[in-house]
Amino acid sequence: GAVVSQHPSWVICKSGTSVKIECRSLDFQATTMFWYRQFPKQSLMLMATSNEGSKATYEQGVEKDKFLINHASLTLSTLTVTSAHPEDSSFYICSASGGHLYNEQFFGPGTRLTVL
Amino acid sequence: AQSVTQLDSQVPVFEEAPVELRCNYSSSVSVYLFWYVQYPNQGLQLLLKYLSGSTLVESINGFEAEFNKSQTSFHLRKPSVHISDTAEYFCAVSPTGGFKTIFGAGTRLFVKA
Repeated sequence: GAVVSQHPSWVICKSGTSVKIECRSLDFQATTMFWYRQFPKQSLMLMATSNEGSKATYEQGVEKDKFLINHASLTLSTLTVTSAHPEDSSFYICSASGGHLYNEQFFGPGTRLTVL
Repeated sequence: AQSVTQLDSQVPVFEEAPVELRCNYSSSVSVYLFWYVQYPNQGLQLLLKYLSGSTLVESINGFEAEFNKSQTSFHLRKPSVHISDTAEYFCAVSPTGGFKTIFGAGTRLFVKA
């Protein structure tokens, strides 16, 4: 099956620093990648949708200058949380779809971000 | 626009008992339907999906779900649960031909010995 990886799986950083999270599709070409945020005991909240080679589309209320998304290749998308603050602490999950797998999303294992 | 309602936030059940996790959706267009499972501190794993064809879909670990168009439901069932089924379950819909997936709030299944 299609495999999506995320790195790092967890990260702790100081307030004011920036953190980059990578999302990779390992065995298929992901033309579309999605970034979600999940608060404890809650559902996934879609942050943005990115298509390879174009700018990401952000959901309402998500600051695009705060959460920088790059989808430069068919196997890699990155989410950079800039000037992180404690309220950015969350579980970030990416998913990918593409090619003959266009009608299904494959999820990464998630990244736990803790901002001190 | 689509929406998903999972009617139960928590479902406690004893081991080897049957369980049903309810999911209703609303949509003005045709949709694909999914159930995902999430174990603590992990991402989502696809449990089963309905894209077309038979309205009853099954997973390899004994779960099944039936698409009921008239009732706009996609309830998840298992005739006999195990302790290892304890997890969060999310129902999701996406429009056919589109990408955006809408998730329900999730149902925490807690299987007791």
